[in-house]
Amino acid sequence: NAGVMQNPRHLVRRRGQEARLRCSPMKGHSHVYWYRQLPEEGLKFMVYLQKENIIDESGMPKERFSAEFPKEGPSILRIQQVVRGDSAAYFCASSPFDYGYTFGSGTRLTVV
Amino acid sequence: TQLLEQSPQFLSIQEGENLTVYCNSSSVFSSLQWYRQEPGEGPVLLVTVVTGGEVKKLKRLTFQFGDARKDSSLHITAAQPGDTGLYLCAGARSSGNTGKLIFGQGTTLQVKP
Repeated sequence: NAGVMQNPRHLVRRRGQEARLRCSPMKGHSHVYWYRQLPEEGLKFMVYLQKENIIDESGMPKERFSAEFPKEGPSILRIQQVVRGDSAAYFCASSPFDYGYTFGSGTRLTVV
Repeated sequence: TQLLEQSPQFLSIQEGENLTVYCNSSSVFSSLQWYRQEPGEGPVLLVTVVTGGEVKKLKRLTFQFGDARKDSSLHITAAQPGDTGLYLCAGARSSGNTGKLIFGQGTTLQVKP
């Protein structure tokens, strides 16, 4: 998992604050995916991005959540006005042009 | 709607036993992947199966993709405590890495020494 870098590893936010999660894909990977995992559950797809483009955001909540993957810099998942239900592990994955995704170690968001 | 059903959800066995984890769906997938996840870490890819009926072996792990590409199984022979972890299957609808993965809810395996 060292190839996909996510930070921070742990993030604590009070209700109503903003959370910004960062993901640097593996070198040479131009596809980035964000997934959310609740305790004892599998991962739920949120959004798929390529550089400067959102390809599929069908898993993103309609409000408060946004994602970007700029030409330069990491991909950012932004959650505005966090609520307790946003507490989860958020994973980023990147991929090249053959099968197989590489996941980062995740950001554990706790909303207090 | 859970598109990929994994069973069992929890499995606790003794070292040396064999086990099988199942991943079933009513939908067809272009490929199916198996991951293992340790506590506090991200999933790590074990294998990708693409062709219906395909069987892949990874040491003591055997993965099979159903003929109709709707289901898959993971068989572990002579389980060891180091096999303990969360096993996830994930299906891709589109070919290549151009789309999302649909994950099963996972199977938590505990292998006791």
